[in-house]
Amino acid sequence: DADVTQTPRNRITKTGKRIMLECSQTKGHDRMYWYRQDPGLGLQLIYYSFDVKDINKGEISDGYSVSRQAQAKFSLSLESAIPNQTALYFCATSDHTKRDTDTQYFGPGTRLTVL
Amino acid sequence: AQTVTQSQPEMSVQEAETVTLSCTYDTSESDYYLFWYKQPPSRQMILVIRQEAYKQQNATENRFSVNFQKAAKSFSLKISDSQLGDAAMYFCAYRSGGNQFYFGTGTSLTVIP
Repeated sequence: DADVTQTPRNRITKTGKRIMLECSQTKGHDRMYWYRQDPGLGLQLIYYSFDVKDINKGEISDGYSVSRQAQAKFSLSLESAIPNQTALYFCATSDHTKRDTDTQYFGPGTRLTVL
Repeated sequence: AQTVTQSQPEMSVQEAETVTLSCTYDTSESDYYLFWYKQPPSRQMILVIRQEAYKQQNATENRFSVNFQKAAKSFSLKISDSQLGDAAMYFCAYRSGGNQFYFGTGTSLTVIP
C-alpha cells in the first residue's frame, strides 16, 4: 500500500471552475507539502504545513489555497482555475521529529489540465 | 534565495557503465541537506540518496554515490553499473535551514542496452 496517496490522479477541468486536490499519508509524518511541476522545470513549492495549525506560503502560492484537515490530510484548492495552472501536482511529507529521516516522500502526482 | 542548477538536461550511458550527473547550488547557509530524487515514467518521485552538509564523508547507497564538494557548492551523483531501470529523470534538491526544498530542473538519463 502506498504511504502517500493523491486523488484524483488525473483531472480535466474548465477555466473558472473550483477544484480540490487531496493528499493523504499513513507515514505519521508531521510535515506536508504541495508542489507543482511544469514540463522542463523542477518542482516549485506552493504551500507547506509543519503541523495541523501551521500553514506557510511557498514560492508560487498565488491562485492556490490549502487546508490541513488532520495530520494525515492536506488538500490543495484552486478557487478559480486558469489554463496556466495546468501542471503535474505533487504532495510530499517529511518527518521532522527524527533528525535522520528529514527527507521528503512523494505521492504519485496528479495531472491537472485546465481548458 | 537558494538556487539549484543542473546543467545537463540529458545524459546517456551504456548499460553496465558509470555515469555522473552534475548539480551545483547557491547558498549562504552552513547547515543544509542535499538530495537526489529519481522520477521514472510512472511520475513517482523516489529518493535516491541524501547528504548532510556537516558530514564530510560522501553518502553511498549501493550503486549510487555522491561527490560532495562543499566549498565549490557542488553535489554530483555517480551511478555505477548502470541498469535499464535507472532510466529516469533525476532531480537534485536542496533543503534549507527553514525546511524549504528547492529543486533543480532535472537531468533525463537514458540507459542504452
